[in-house]
Amino acid sequence: DTAVSQTPKYLVTQMGNDKSIKCEQNLGHDTMYWYKQDSKKFLKIMFSYNNKELIINETVPNRFSPKSPDKAHLNLHINSLELGDSAVYFCASSQPGGGTDTQYFGPGTRLTVL
Amino acid sequence: QKEVEQDPGPLSVPEGAIVSLNCTYSNSAFQYFMWYRQYSRKGPELLMYTYSSGNKEDGRFTAQVDKSSKYISLFIRDSQPSDSATYLCAMSRGGSEKLVFGKGTKLTVNP
Repeated sequence: DTAVSQTPKYLVTQMGNDKSIKCEQNLGHDTMYWYKQDSKKFLKIMFSYNNKELIINETVPNRFSPKSPDKAHLNLHINSLELGDSAVYFCASSQPGGGTDTQYFGPGTRLTVL
Repeated sequence: QKEVEQDPGPLSVPEGAIVSLNCTYSNSAFQYFMWYRQYSRKGPELLMYTYSSGNKEDGRFTAQVDKSSKYISLFIRDSQPSDSATYLCAMSRGGSEKLVFGKGTKLTVNP
């Protein structure tokens, strides 16, 4: 059983287009995240949701809009795609409670903007 | 100064070698320290988790944290080709505070 799944796995699109990436977790976790990993492998948090509420919003252009229809899903919509948006986007989930949250990552969505 | 510094390598070792991976950090409020392993074209997976200073051992892997020096290490004994991956250190202040990652060190273990 896949714990954290993302679709699509690969996304190739033109500059200016709008695209969405979907994430689902079946771990029963309350918190979900979106990360961006650039070509140099640097992994940086973008957003975090706890039980459908936004709790972390890093300095991300407002072309990026996360949406959490329920606590098992966190989608990422990107408007007016730019070349610099090309990266691998990872979804993750965790369950708060004691210490720090262990995060479980999805397989990633490789976005290429042409 | 970046919050977390990690030498990106690449690091290439022969099978059976002892590997040492390190990160330094600047934020003394970090309490939780993690090492993630990321195989090519896969998501990161948690390898080791340590709270505050000290050592933790799990099989061939040992994580060390020295909060006084703001320095963490991951040692891999008897390295195997299957250990070839990128290793990312990560740390946080705790609770639901965000994880801050290092840039990752790419390790290749040659048979």
